[in-house]
Amino acid sequence: SQQGEEDPQALSIQEGENATMNCSYKTSINNLQWYRQNSGRGLVHLILIRSNEREKHSGRLRVTLDTSKKSSSLLITASRAADTASYFCAPARGDSSYKLIFGSGTRLLVRP
Amino acid sequence: GAGVSQSPSNKVTEKGKDVELRCDPISGHTALYWYRQRLGQGLEFLIYFQGNSAPDKSGLPSDRFSAERTGESVSTLTIQRTQQEDSAVYLCASSLRASGGQETQYFGPGTRLLVL
Repeated sequence: SQQGEEDPQALSIQEGENATMNCSYKTSINNLQWYRQNSGRGLVHLILIRSNEREKHSGRLRVTLDTSKKSSSLLITASRAADTASYFCAPARGDSSYKLIFGSGTRLLVRP
Repeated sequence: GAGVSQSPSNKVTEKGKDVELRCDPISGHTALYWYRQRLGQGLEFLIYFQGNSAPDKSGLPSDRFSAERTGESVSTLTIQRTQQEDSAVYLCASSLRASGGQETQYFGPGTRLLVL
């Protein structure tokens, strides 16, 4: 299955703290994407990391990829209340990688 | 600039009725995708259109589901004889093209369907 599984299912932190969520998958991939979903802005693409990359940054986001362990992590530094959302990973293979398949996601709550 | 739009935003229907959901992709985007998201769950891929190529319908859950797209513009997803298990949020996304998953998919706000 191409589906990624996010862990933990839920995470509650204080504003200003860092949040780390993980993604595991089973097949070899070309790239892996992270998405965020909240009631205000819907489903939004955050970052894409290719299989030959180990780490990528975008603003307060840091994504790592370990293809040997078939896992990825998303770190949000200096969290804000507006980061409260569900976060999903989408591993993509080369053959049908346009199909985004999400797991249940990590529900992040950032307390003000 | 306009993003992906979907209509209606909410739809309540009775079991057995047909529903039609509409998606307007971002102008110039050749690839269009439909997904379904049940409450508290991730995305289920339904169907994908890329230009004039034959659509990938591999995700459609049954023959009650069908979708059409006119050229590189509007798409409609039709669910015939709706069942309660069809209740979900139906999300549409578009991208410039579908090149091995390298293209960012831009999502619409979704249509929340409730089948009573």
